[in-house]
Amino acid sequence: DAGVTQSPTHLIKTRGQQVTLRCSPISGHKSVSWYQQVLGQGPQFIFQYYEKEERGRGNFPDRFSARQFPNYSSELNVNALLLGDSALYLCASSLDSSYNEQFFGPGTRLTVL
Amino acid sequence: GQSLEQPSEVTAVEGAIVQINCTYQTSGFYGLSWYQQHDGGAPTFLSYNALDGLEETGRFSSFLSRSDSYGYLLLQELQMKDSASYFCAVRDYQAAGNKLTFGGGTRVLVKP
Repeated sequence: DAGVTQSPTHLIKTRGQQVTLRCSPISGHKSVSWYQQVLGQGPQFIFQYYEKEERGRGNFPDRFSARQFPNYSSELNVNALLLGDSALYLCASSLDSSYNEQFFGPGTRLTVL
Repeated sequence: GQSLEQPSEVTAVEGAIVQINCTYQTSGFYGLSWYQQHDGGAPTFLSYNALDGLEETGRFSSFLSRSDSYGYLLLQELQMKDSASYFCAVRDYQAAGNKLTFGGGTRVLVKP
């Protein structure tokens, strides 16, 4: 079975631009969560979606938004990019919203210049 | 808010035992998870403790004490491939819904 997939792998943007990151969960998983990981730090929770509804939100500004589609794939959007948004963006899927076991994708490395 | 503390780095030799401690402060606590992340890789799930006690999975064991807001990950019979960062994470319920908060990670270096 395929694991969690994310696209693109790498992305370079300039300040003020907008970016959309995509995630496909493991087949049968209904929950998708997004994390930001700055080099040398732990992942920081951004959003959780379960059955297309937002179930959790971290301490990120409104420039960050997400959605989940009927096929359970998800998109993370970031508007008005700042240099500080440069990070690895990780998507994780799980069977339900309990977080007992999450499966992470390889991530999207975003660089903002 | 939520906070987790774990040591930043641990060095040990092959075959040794390493214990990574994690203390947490949070509300609405559900459980403590552990993840392993190799450089350049994605985090992978190791264990989850919702109740007090020790959970053993092969060479790795995880412990939780809810009354002490404390847990640890025990790595036994260390191998070179165990060199990685290890993160504890707590699941808690906030007004905004479920949330998973990760610690800063413990970098484990295994030497021959």
